[in-house]
Amino acid sequence: DTAVSQTPKYLVTQMGNDKSIKCEQNLGHDTMYWYKQDSKKFLKIMFSYNNKELIINETVPNRFSPKSPDKAHLNLHINSLELGDSAVYFCASSQNLRGLASEQFFGPGTRLTVL
Amino acid sequence: GEDVEQSLFLSVREGDSSVINCTYTDSSSTYLYWYKQEPGAGLQLLTYIFSNMDMKQDQRLTVLLNKKDKHLSLRIADTQTGDSAIYFCAASPGGGNKLTFGTGTQLKVEL
Repeated sequence: DTAVSQTPKYLVTQMGNDKSIKCEQNLGHDTMYWYKQDSKKFLKIMFSYNNKELIINETVPNRFSPKSPDKAHLNLHINSLELGDSAVYFCASSQNLRGLASEQFFGPGTRLTVL
Repeated sequence: GEDVEQSLFLSVREGDSSVINCTYTDSSSTYLYWYKQEPGAGLQLLTYIFSNMDMKQDQRLTVLLNKKDKHLSLRIADTQTGDSAIYFCAASPGGGNKLTFGTGTQLKVEL
């Protein structure tokens, strides 16, 4: 009965490789997000999708490409991994309530280590 | 863009009150949120306040908002060891879904 799930939980890979992280939510929400949390715990939004449409795209290298096959899934593909990509990546979801407070529900995170 | 700042660390004794402070820059933020992150986990919403309120109380939590100074605080009464975590404030510039998170405050509760 997990609300927001991510796979894998840990990912260790070599520089230059390509990897994907998957996210699924069973809350019926229409908006999903990817965040990056660095080693100092700073949390920064990367992307947001609303009903499979990209609505937030922060200054993120082109090597990062989100894909939303349906509104319950948002995957993150990273090409040519670099050392600086090492971080914890969080997926989140929320209901778009148009001007009302909207709680974001976070997944457990994927710890990516690039060697 | 929005800038949200917090002090990095706070240490309190069990049973005392904790006050975590946050400042933000964008006065168009309609809602301001407090999230809690326990070790190895994602963030969890604790509470939020609408920008036209100056106080909100929810059990042991009290949120104070000074809109003129763009200052937000979270008070936890009777702090317990289970409250040890990182606390993030977040602002929603323009009231949309995009949140700008603060730097996080690591709260340590000592016996």
